[in-house]
Amino acid sequence: AQSVAQPEDQVNVAEGNPLTVKCTYSVSGNPYLFWYVQYPNRGLQFLLKYITGDNLVKGSYGFEAEFNKSQTSFHLKKPSALVSDSALYFCAVRDMYSGAGSYQLTFGKGTKLSVIP
Amino acid sequence: NAGVTQTPKFQVLKTGQSMTLQCAQDMNHNSMYWYRQDPGMGLRLIYYSASEGTTDKGEVPNGYNVSRLNKREFSLRLESAAPSQTSVYFCASTRQGVGEAFFGQGTRLTVV
Repeated sequence: AQSVAQPEDQVNVAEGNPLTVKCTYSVSGNPYLFWYVQYPNRGLQFLLKYITGDNLVKGSYGFEAEFNKSQTSFHLKKPSALVSDSALYFCAVRDMYSGAGSYQLTFGKGTKLSVIP
Repeated sequence: NAGVTQTPKFQVLKTGQSMTLQCAQDMNHNSMYWYRQDPGMGLRLIYYSASEGTTDKGEVPNGYNVSRLNKREFSLRLESAAPSQTSVYFCASTRQGVGEAFFGQGTRLTVV
């Protein structure tokens, strides 16, 4: 079975400082990894994904994420946080080789990011 | 480009009532999903449809049924609503393979 852990329920960071939102995963095969953002009373918006290739993935709104296979991690980062980045962030994983289950996208519980002016 | 459209946006049901949540996508995606979102629980998969004509249970299927009406539409039915089904429901779709999921705006359901 595949799973995702986001160890921090909430992350607080000052505006202009770098931010990191942590994610670790577990799959039996190779992972497809995703980050999504959710603003209040809205659906989830795709930020970035890792499929294969370069371990550093760049996405929307200046976000990037680093895939680390040995640590089974996919942490979301941004060099300089904005107040408008305050939202709920979800990490998700799909197993490349789990047959019918490869259609399943498993989400973490989410991390609330608060950027303080 | 509408993407994924869910109806209704809000609904209040009494315990024991039934209702169907509708979802349609216009991106020609093969796979569609229903999730529920509860505080502190993240998103949990209820049912999914890998392709037209197939449906499979996810993590929390009890109390729900689904229908993949055609390639565009995937509905979720609550036959006898219970307070435990109070939640925000999201429909999503993906291409097969490596594509990211696109989400609807959600349906906020309250069962009293």
